[in-house]
Amino acid sequence: EAGVAQSPRYKIIEKRQSVAFWCNPISGHATLYWYQQILGQGPKLLIQFQNNGVVDDSQLPKDRFSAERLKGVDSTLKIQPAKLEDSAVYLCASSGGTGGSEQTQYFGPGTRLLVL
Amino acid sequence: SQQGEEDPQALSIQEGENATMNCSYKTSINNLQWYRQNSGRGLVHLILIRSNEREKHSGRLRVTLDTSKKSSSLLITASRAADTASYFCATGGAQKLVFGQGTRLTINP
Repeated sequence: EAGVAQSPRYKIIEKRQSVAFWCNPISGHATLYWYQQILGQGPKLLIQFQNNGVVDDSQLPKDRFSAERLKGVDSTLKIQPAKLEDSAVYLCASSGGTGGSEQTQYFGPGTRLLVL
Repeated sequence: SQQGEEDPQALSIQEGENATMNCSYKTSINNLQWYRQNSGRGLVHLILIRSNEREKHSGRLRVTLDTSKKSSSLLITASRAADTASYFCATGGAQKLVFGQGTRLTINP
């Protein structure tokens, strides 16, 4: 079974530029999450999708961050314009397996963003 | 805000020794999960313990949960160099996880 795929793995941009991250979850997983992990901290949930609907985006800075999950599969997370404090690893995860693993989240490798 | 708080923040032991990490949380939970993160990589799920369970084992891992004290512990027995990583507890509600800040574990050869 293929894992969660993310791209790009690394991105360096200047402040005020825009950037987009892509995530492909595990096949069949209905729930998709985007997390922000700042160096030395635990992941912080930005947005959670159930199929193509938003379940929780309470911690998403909506003035600059946006996310979509078209057709309930792939998802993109965009930052426009980026700020220095957006430098972090952006992790995508999915869940929705069977056999007792419904609540387990499977993470992709992350995209490391550096804003200069 | 993060619900789980791991203790200690960093732990360094010799290979072969046991490592114990603790997690405390504030509100009611459905389950508590432990994840491992190797340097520069994504998180890997280790074990899930439900609120009505007190102890769970998986290989060299042993997790306990005390809901009356709102705390959990992760024990790694017979540690190996490959166990060097950051370990996070995450408290689960309705499919939503809230992560702590993690314990950085270093296994010295």
